[in-house]
Amino acid sequence: AQTVTQSQPEMSVQEAETVTLSCTYDTSESDYYLFWYKQPPSRQMILVIRQEAYKQQNATENRFSVNFQKAAKSFSLKISDSQLGDAAMYFCAYRSPNNNDMRFGAGTRLTVKP
Amino acid sequence: GAGVSQTPSNKVTEKGKYVELRCDPISGHTALYWYRQSLGQGPEFLIYFQGTGAADDSGLPNDRFFAVRPEGSVSTLKIQRTERGDSAMYLCASSPRRGADTQYFGPGTRLTVL
Repeated sequence: AQTVTQSQPEMSVQEAETVTLSCTYDTSESDYYLFWYKQPPSRQMILVIRQEAYKQQNATENRFSVNFQKAAKSFSLKISDSQLGDAAMYFCAYRSPNNNDMRFGAGTRLTVKP
Repeated sequence: GAGVSQTPSNKVTEKGKYVELRCDPISGHTALYWYRQSLGQGPEFLIYFQGTGAADDSGLPNDRFFAVRPEGSVSTLKIQRTERGDSAMYLCASSPRRGADTQYFGPGTRLTVL
């Protein structure tokens, strides 16, 4: 079974600076999808960014980008120019095209200091 | 358009009671998922519907949990003889179809069993 590991329970960043959140996963599949979701204190899960494993190019969405290392099974999220509104729990998730569910990591709580 | 909605937002019940949690997916989304999220953890898959049928209920913890989606839109998660360990946030998500599509999450129902 696929597992997702987020080794940083908490991270902190100064406003306007850059922070990287780590995620590793375990799978024997060659094709799959990876996601980063943000869950603010209001609790609604919001998609931040997604990556298809067959694409070598790292996904980017404005200030958010990923470093996808397929061989190392690593999928880190970089947040540039951090803003106070970025403060939230961040979850890394894995989805197989053959399965019906997503596997989530335990999450990283990001604090942004003014 | 409207996102995924869930009602109630909070539910407090007593041990042994029966509860129903409702999910209204995004209009036109055929795939619907239920997850359970315990405090400090990532969501865990419960059940997946494709249309009206439960295509995968492998995540349901025991036979006290049941879900329906009779008309292929609104879904109800039903929990019988609730236990204190059932206390959690219950999240619903929908996607246009199964497979690679991103899942869009609702705000969740926080269930507390006293």
